[in-house]
Amino acid sequence: KNQVEQSPQSLIILEGKNCTLQCNYTVSPFSNLRWYKQDTGRGPVSLTIMTFSENTKSNGRYTATLDADTKQSSLHITASQLSDSASYICVVSGAGGSYIPTFGRGTSLIVHP
Amino acid sequence: DTAVSQTPKYLVTQMGNDKSIKCEQNLGHDTMYWYKQDSKKFLKIMFSYNNKELIINETVPNRFSPKSPDKAHLNLHINSLELGDSAVYFCASSQSVRQPQHFGDGTRLSIL
Repeated sequence: KNQVEQSPQSLIILEGKNCTLQCNYTVSPFSNLRWYKQDTGRGPVSLTIMTFSENTKSNGRYTATLDADTKQSSLHITASQLSDSASYICVVSGAGGSYIPTFGRGTSLIVHP
Repeated sequence: DTAVSQTPKYLVTQMGNDKSIKCEQNLGHDTMYWYKQDSKKFLKIMFSYNNKELIINETVPNRFSPKSPDKAHLNLHINSLELGDSAVYFCASSQSVRQPQHFGDGTRLSIL
């Protein structure tokens, strides 16, 4: 069964600090992995998307890494800001004709001043 | 300018009623989706349409019926609402099934 596990479930950091969120998956065969940011009361917004051949991808202060061999991904946030407080969701899609994305349960990040 | 818009934003109704949620996207995307996000914030795909054709239909009760009149619209009709239907329903669209999805801001459904 395809699964996406994220850790930690929640995280509290001080403004200006860095943090790293983890995503492990069992989806196979693999097509792509996406990180989304979901602000409270809003829909998720895509941060990065990586395919099998990509190891890292950046979007401003957000940097995602992918190790397709160990089936792990991380999202690193540099110099956190209050506006980074949100839920971060890892989504993995399989290859093949039947495409159904598998969602992680998200990491809730709170950035304190 | 809203890329994916859902209406209504809030929906409060009684058990047993029938209700519809509308979704429209102005991005020219071919694929649209409906998701359910439960109280624990877990997003689960319900349906996906590509060019008005159903391509994903997860184990959703028959009371839920999506309708795509054209590729810019995907509406969700729910019959005989139950307490367990209370959730936030998100519509999304993407250029293709392998491209990032653009989400609406959700419809908060509360069943009394």
